[in-house]
Amino acid sequence: TQTVSQSDAHVTVFEGDSVELRCNYSYGGSIYLSWYIQHHGHGLQFLLKYYSGNPVVQGVNGFEAEFSKSDSSFHLRKASVHWSDSAVYFCAVSAGSNNRIFFGDGTQLVVKP
Amino acid sequence: ETAVFQTPNYHVTQVGNEVSFNCKQTLGHDTMYWYKQDSKKLLKIMFSYNNKQLIVNETVPRRFSPQSSDKAHLNLRIKSVEPEDSAVYLCASSLDWGLYAEQFFGPGTRLTVL
Repeated sequence: TQTVSQSDAHVTVFEGDSVELRCNYSYGGSIYLSWYIQHHGHGLQFLLKYYSGNPVVQGVNGFEAEFSKSDSSFHLRKASVHWSDSAVYFCAVSAGSNNRIFFGDGTQLVVKP
Repeated sequence: ETAVFQTPNYHVTQVGNEVSFNCKQTLGHDTMYWYKQDSKKLLKIMFSYNNKQLIVNETVPRRFSPQSSDKAHLNLRIKSVEPEDSAVYLCASSLDWGLYAEQFFGPGTRLTVL
C-alpha cells in the first residue's frame, strides 16, 4: 500500500520569501506524483505532475517540484511567494494496478505581507 | 473557469434527515469522484464512477449512496444523516481512470448536521 506523508501541517513565510513544502511517499513501483492547491472555500486545483523524465517539473504560478527516488520525495518549491499563494497544498500519489490516487494530509501555507 | 458544478453550496439539516447533493461536469470526462473533507482538511475518497460503473467504493456507511444518470452527473445521497457527516463534500472528475488522470474539483458542498 502506498502512503503519502506531508511532514509540515503549517508553514508561515513572508511575501517574497522562498518556500519548500515537503512530501514523502512510500511505494516500490512506478508512481505518478502530483501537487494540488486549495484556496479557502474552493475545491482543489491541479498544480503540477511527475511520472518520468526530468525530475524537476514546472507548474503554474512559478511553482516547481523535484522528484527524488533515493529520498522518496517530491517537494514543492517557489522562489518568491505572493500573499495569494496562501492556501492548503496537497501532495498526491497514484500507483498500482487500480490507479488509485492517495492524497497527503495537506500543508497550510500562510504568506504574511 | 468552473467546469465541475456542485449544488447546493451549503446545507444545514438535522440528525436523521435525508440529503442529496448534485454534481455535474461539462468537461466530457469519463470518471467522477466524491470526496469527504473534514474540518482538518483531510481528504477521503468515498466513491468513483467510470463511465457510469462504480469502480471504487470505500468503506463508507451504508447511508451514503452515489447515483449516476450519465457520465456527466454523479450525485450523492445520504439517507439519514449523523453529526459526524458534517464536512465538505467535494466532487471531482478526470478524463479517465488512468494513472496520469488529473482531477478537476468542484467548489464543494458544506454539510452541517445539527
